[in-house]
Amino acid sequence: KAGVTQTPRYLIKTRGQQVTLSCSPISGHRSVSWYQQTPGQGLQFLFEYFSETQRNKGNFPGRFSGRQFSNSRSEMNVSTLELGDSALYLCASSLGEPGQFNQPQHFGDGTRLSIL
Amino acid sequence: DQQVKQNSPSLSVQEGRISILNCDYTNSMFDYFLWYKKYPAEGPTFLISISSIKDKNEDGRFTVFLNKSAKHLSLHIVPSQPGDSAVYFCAASERMGSGGSNYKLTFGKGTLLTVNP
Repeated sequence: KAGVTQTPRYLIKTRGQQVTLSCSPISGHRSVSWYQQTPGQGLQFLFEYFSETQRNKGNFPGRFSGRQFSNSRSEMNVSTLELGDSALYLCASSLGEPGQFNQPQHFGDGTRLSIL
Repeated sequence: DQQVKQNSPSLSVQEGRISILNCDYTNSMFDYFLWYKKYPAEGPTFLISISSIKDKNEDGRFTVFLNKSAKHLSLHIVPSQPGDSAVYFCAASERMGSGGSNYKLTFGKGTLLTVNP
């Protein structure tokens, strides 16, 4: 069974640009969550999508957005990139509905975004 | 304000012994707690979770203990194996609003566990 696939694995952008990251969940999983990991702040929850709707959102500015398609694949977009956006962006999918923590999340290996 | 704290950045344990990873929290509204393990260059892997209505949950070598009065939880790994060497994250969930699916998930900064052969 294929795991969560994130593309690309590495990305280099410059300040002011925008970027789109992609996540393909495990087949049958409808819940997709995004996280940002940085050395200083650790792992922070960005948002969660379920059935093409954003169900939960963390404390990130509006420059961070996402969407989910009918096949549960999800994209995350960051506009007007800042140096502080350099991070590992992780996607996770779950068989359960949002908040069903007895259904574990399965993470991809992440996209390493570097802002120059 | 860090609501979930893992005060030990690192922990070193001998193979076969018990590893105890600690996590403290400040928000009494957290109702679910989770532990994840992360190897370098890989995404986190879910380990075990516990609801706030319980004080213990066990899964194989992993046991999580929750002390609500102290706002403290711990992950016990017995016996520890070299393959357990990884960064361990504690996370806590808070329900937002009256709906069942709106919640906020907060992570600690992680503890690097090294199990020496």
